[in-house]
Amino acid sequence: GNSVTQMEGPVTLSEEAFLTINCTYTATGYPSLFWYVQYPGEGLQLLLKATKADDKGSNKGFEATYRKETTSFHLEKGSVQVSDSAVYFCALSDRARGNKLVFGAGTILRVKS
Amino acid sequence: DTAVSQTPKYLVTQMGNDKSIKCEQNLGHDTMYWYKQDSKKFLKIMFSYNNKELIINETVPNRFSPKSPDKAHLNLHINSLELGDSAVYFCASSPRDGDYGYTFGSGTRLTVV
Repeated sequence: GNSVTQMEGPVTLSEEAFLTINCTYTATGYPSLFWYVQYPGEGLQLLLKATKADDKGSNKGFEATYRKETTSFHLEKGSVQVSDSAVYFCALSDRARGNKLVFGAGTILRVKS
Repeated sequence: DTAVSQTPKYLVTQMGNDKSIKCEQNLGHDTMYWYKQDSKKFLKIMFSYNNKELIINETVPNRFSPKSPDKAHLNLHINSLELGDSAVYFCASSPRDGDYGYTFGSGTRLTVV
């Protein structure tokens, strides 16, 4: 079945450091790919998305490119802030199953000042 | 205006009780979902309804019963609560086209004692 694998956390960075959170997927067909962010005590918010190969999603300084050849959708940010501390989830949309979102296990990001 | 609202936000109850969680969305979306997030932050889909029709029913104990009176509401009723049901339950909604991703509620933290 479809699945998403994310790098394990927690990831701890100093403010202004470069961030990469790796995400790879296994899917039949061509799913849409998403990154969601969950701040403490809150629900998940859509951070960015890409719907086809080579698309780049971007939002709030975060970027991710849909790479079909490596089945990856890595999240990057050039300079993190303390306010970016949260849990980040990579997900794919399983079009064959009612657009069910399949999530990775989540990666905790901690940014120190 | 809250797009996807869940009530209650916190629910503490004893084993064996029956409880309900309510969810409403004002986005005009066709599809609504229930997800369970465990203590390790792992997210798993439980149910999905499209315009009041059940379309996804994952392997969930039949003590859990979703009810959708109309396409803006999806409630979750749980009978005979067990300790292992303790988790955060998220409601979400999406347009019929899965490329737009989901909008999540802020979650209901259920604690069974």
